[in-house]
Amino acid sequence: SQELEQSPQSLIVQEGKNLTINCTSSKTLYGLYWYKQKYGEGLIFLMMLQKGGEEKSHEKITAKLDEKKQQSSLHITASQPSHAGIYLCGADPKYGNKLVFGAGTILRVKS
Amino acid sequence: DGGITQSPKYLFRKEGQNVTLSCEQNLNHDAMYWYRQDPGQGLRLIYYSQIVNDFQKGDIAEGYSVSREKKESFPLTVTSAQKNPTAFYLCASSIEKGGGSTDTQYFGPGTRLTVL
Repeated sequence: SQELEQSPQSLIVQEGKNLTINCTSSKTLYGLYWYKQKYGEGLIFLMMLQKGGEEKSHEKITAKLDEKKQQSSLHITASQPSHAGIYLCGADPKYGNKLVFGAGTILRVKS
Repeated sequence: DGGITQSPKYLFRKEGQNVTLSCEQNLNHDAMYWYRQDPGQGLRLIYYSQIVNDFQKGDIAEGYSVSREKKESFPLTVTSAQKNPTAFYLCASSIEKGGGSTDTQYFGPGTRLTVL
């Protein structure tokens, strides 16, 4: 079965700093979803990547799927307190309707 | 506004009691899902349904039951057989693409269940 490992597990950054979160898969990624969650709330869809080398941006958040399609990175530029939360990656295992999720990365932004 | 609603937001249950969590969507999505989230772990799939009157077990279905009598509704019952039910429960829905492929899942606000 497919497994997703996210790194780091948590990080604290100073407001205005850039940061990167990684999501590494044990198998080829056919679709990779990034979600954001505030504590005690539901997941908010950020973006979805499918093709190797694909890069998408949403405001100051950019996600990329590497060429070999086994890792995705999420980059936040000039972090703000509103970026704080839990970032989760989810993978489409190609067959079946079940998404597999990573454990999440907790982001705190100090102002 | 289109979206997914879950109720209640907080739920307390005594050991040995069954409890039902509500999930409603007005996005006209065919597929609906129930996940469980525990601290430090990713989401784990409990049950999913691709069409009315049909549903499949996910990875951790034991101790849970669902029904799908209407397209808009997918309630989850946590039974007394579930050994460790305290968790955050999330419902999601998506377009059903067919052929075994999934589309973007959109999530409700969640229900936090605590067993006393």
